[in-house]
Amino acid sequence: GQQLNQSPQSMFIQEGEDVSMNCTSSSIFNTWLWYKQDPGEGPVLLIALYKAGELTSNGRLTAQFGITRKDSFLNISASIPSDVGIYFCAGEGGSEKLVFGKGTKLTVNP
Amino acid sequence: GAGVSQTPSNKVTEKGKYVELRCDPISGHTALYWYRQSLGQGPEFLIYFQGTGAADDSGLPNDRFFAVRPEGSVSTLKIQRTERGDSAVYLCASSSSGELFFGEGSRLTVL
Repeated sequence: GQQLNQSPQSMFIQEGEDVSMNCTSSSIFNTWLWYKQDPGEGPVLLIALYKAGELTSNGRLTAQFGITRKDSFLNISASIPSDVGIYFCAGEGGSEKLVFGKGTKLTVNP
Repeated sequence: GAGVSQTPSNKVTEKGKYVELRCDPISGHTALYWYRQSLGQGPEFLIYFQGTGAADDSGLPNDRFFAVRPEGSVSTLKIQRTERGDSAVYLCASSSSGELFFGEGSRLTVL
């Protein structure tokens, strides 16, 4: 089945630093999504990408849909303490069901 | 509230027991999804409803798992003869136009 490889598994950074995480897939996706999950909560959508090569920003977040349709990255600029959480990439390949990565746990030291 | 509501938030049961988990989607959302999230993992797809019918149940791990949505709104995930490996957070999401809105999940612990 489809699998996503998300890296890094965890990151420890200082407040103000930029962050980058990425996902690769063994198969093509039509849509790439990035979610954030706080403890005890469900995932919340941050950015959605619908076209190969697309670069989209949402405030301090920037994400790109890889040209091969098999990868995506998420950048967070000037991190703040509330950025702490687990970030998931997810891909959708035309079947209405999302395939999620294993997550990147972000810790921001003030 | 206006979000996806899931009950119970926590359920502890013994191996072999029957469990029901309920999801109340956002009003008007026709699509409803169940995902399962094990510790340290991303959510894994279980089943997807469009209206009352299960459009895709390919993620249900075996025939102990079953889900219904009889009136096209509330859905119940039913797990028979629970096993310790069923312990996870069961997430429900609903959608009207593509974006999924997740509930807080039901944490199931099978002892």
